[in-house]
Amino acid sequence: DIQMTQSPSSLSASVGDRVTITCQASQDIDNYLNWFQQKPGKAPKLLIYDASNLETGVPSRFSGSGSGTDFTFTISSLQPEDIATYYCQHYDNLRLFTFGPGTKVDVK
Amino acid sequence: EVQLVESGGGLVQPGGSLRLSCAASGFTLSSYWMHWARQAPGKGPVWVSRINSDGSSARYADSVKGRFTIFRDNAKNTLYLQMNSLRVEDTAVYYCVTWQWKDWGQGTLVTVSS
Repeated sequence: DIQMTQSPSSLSASVGDRVTITCQASQDIDNYLNWFQQKPGKAPKLLIYDASNLETGVPSRFSGSGSGTDFTFTISSLQPEDIATYYCQHYDNLRLFTFGPGTKVDVK
Repeated sequence: EVQLVESGGGLVQPGGSLRLSCAASGFTLSSYWMHWARQAPGKGPVWVSRINSDGSSARYADSVKGRFTIFRDNAKNTLYLQMNSLRVEDTAVYYCVTWQWKDWGQGTLVTVSS
């Protein structure tokens, strides 16, 4: 089974800061990776699909990159409403899906 | 507007059964593969199962294989999850989700406890 790791597990940044989260797969997953945002008490929300494609309606300060085993999620200028936990998710050709452990983002 | 409304959660003893329902509106359910995902308290989301558009093919996470069954009634625009032999570790909020993970329900809480 493919394992997904994320780092850091949590971070604290100031409004306006650039925030970067990494996700690593235990083997090559091409670009089969999504990124989600989850706020307390709410369902996760899809932000990025296929590693780098911005979901419709998602602000352009969010972006994703990477392929193979190493992926990056970036918030170019952190806003107060971005306080949330962010998850990467891998999907494979067997139509199975694995979420990463999450990164909790706070404002300093 | 896509709406997914889960129901059927509650408190059940270990070894018991529950059936979750997900009522879909705002789109034609029969055109889409669907998922169930769950999230234990304080933990990240976990994929549970998926089903194809006509219900002829399903896949399950290893943790629920043989105990859970996903099925659908496209005429009623409803997705289901039959959960048998429930364990304490099945305690979670259960979500139904559209195939590309774009739309999620509000979730229904399942608590397995004696």
